[in-house]
Amino acid sequence: DQQVKQNSPSLSVQEGRISILNCDYTNSMFDYFLWYKKYPAEGPTFLISISSIKDKNEDGRFTVFLNKSAKHLSLHIVPSQPGDSAVYFCAAKGVRRETSGSRLTFGEGTQLTVNP
Amino acid sequence: NAGVTQTPKFRILKIGQSMTLQCTQDMNHNYMYWYRQDPGMGLKLIYYSVGAGITDKGEVPNGYNVSRSTTEDFPLRLELAAPSQTSVYFCASSYPRGDQPQHFGDGTRLSIL
Repeated sequence: DQQVKQNSPSLSVQEGRISILNCDYTNSMFDYFLWYKKYPAEGPTFLISISSIKDKNEDGRFTVFLNKSAKHLSLHIVPSQPGDSAVYFCAAKGVRRETSGSRLTFGEGTQLTVNP
Repeated sequence: NAGVTQTPKFRILKIGQSMTLQCTQDMNHNYMYWYRQDPGMGLKLIYYSVGAGITDKGEVPNGYNVSRSTTEDFPLRLELAAPSQTSVYFCASSYPRGDQPQHFGDGTRLSIL
């Protein structure tokens, strides 16, 4: 039962263009969503997050959009840079369920390649 | 700024051997977690801890044990290594507040042959 899914294993874009990474979830108890970035041989690094009370959160070149009715979120990177090439993981948790220890459920990841 | 430190970085074990993966954090985080990542898959939660002396099972706990005697350390123990435990293991920590992100170590790549 994959509660968080990233249906695109890979994405390739040109430098300077927009990268859009997608994520779908099924568990309606999820109310906080995060994106992590991972380079080879390193651990995931937190990128940006969004609460379910919002539909958009922006941080520099990175914007996350949340569509609760569709149970869908996306990460937009504008403009894309070669250094953005990495695996991006979508993750979700139920913040209200504090006894769960803030457990995260991860998607499978999308490999983004930004070509110069 | 050490953050979350995992040792060793790489290890090869024989079937049936045991080992402990070490994890320590210097951010005074109450919560700590162990994940495994298999090729092409997301991270799966093995065990987590909300404070010293308190641990609980995650999604894939079979074949593993943990302990949390201090705030800083959260070791993961494999008692009888099996080929299915070949994976990359990540330790993470966070503050208790739900909107706080988890911070990850660089992982331990473990092969069981």
